[in-house]
Amino acid sequence: AQSVSQHNHHVILSEAASLELGCNYSYGGTVNLFWYVQYPGQHLQLLLKYFSGDPLVKGIKGFEAEFIKSKFSFNLRKPSVQWSDTAEYFCAGRSGNTGKLIFGQGTTLQVKP
Amino acid sequence: NAGVTQTPKFQVLKTGQSMTLQCAQDMNHNSMYWYRQDPGMGLRLIYYSASEGTTDKGEVPNGYNVSRLNKREFSLRLESAAPSQTSVYFCASSVSTGNEQFFGPGTRLTVL
Repeated sequence: AQSVSQHNHHVILSEAASLELGCNYSYGGTVNLFWYVQYPGQHLQLLLKYFSGDPLVKGIKGFEAEFIKSKFSFNLRKPSVQWSDTAEYFCAGRSGNTGKLIFGQGTTLQVKP
Repeated sequence: NAGVTQTPKFQVLKTGQSMTLQCAQDMNHNSMYWYRQDPGMGLRLIYYSASEGTTDKGEVPNGYNVSRLNKREFSLRLESAAPSQTSVYFCASSVSTGNEQFFGPGTRLTVL
């Protein structure tokens, strides 16, 4: 079955630390991959997406992600986190153009000032 | 331009009661979706509508029904609520099923 898994459930960092959140998917064929963020009390917002082309994708607020097909991975990175990055982060994927997004379990990021 | 709106924001039901969650989008999107979010499980797709007049089951459709009322509106109905349906429900929309999805603010539902 298709699945998306996130390795870290809860991450605590100090401001200015570097961030990497893991995401792996388990299906083949054409894949579309996404990272969404949910700030406390708010709805999900798209951080970045990968459909095709350059495997290094840059998103909003200084986030980036790298699609590594051989590892079935799409890890999210940020060189220097800020307190305002405290949120829950979701990796999601789908096969081809179907509307069926599969979400990972989510990672709660807490950034200490 | 409000994006995706959902009503109500909060709801408490007793087991066996029914209710309808409303969702509307003003972005002229063709596709709409209903998800539920549970701790430690991410979001799971309940139903979706690829275009007006069509609906399809997602990952967890049991206990729910949907109606794509028109291009703007997509409602989710619980005919006989159960405690297992306590969750946060999100509606989303996209230009088509191949595009990124935009999410509403969510409805927090508690079934006692």
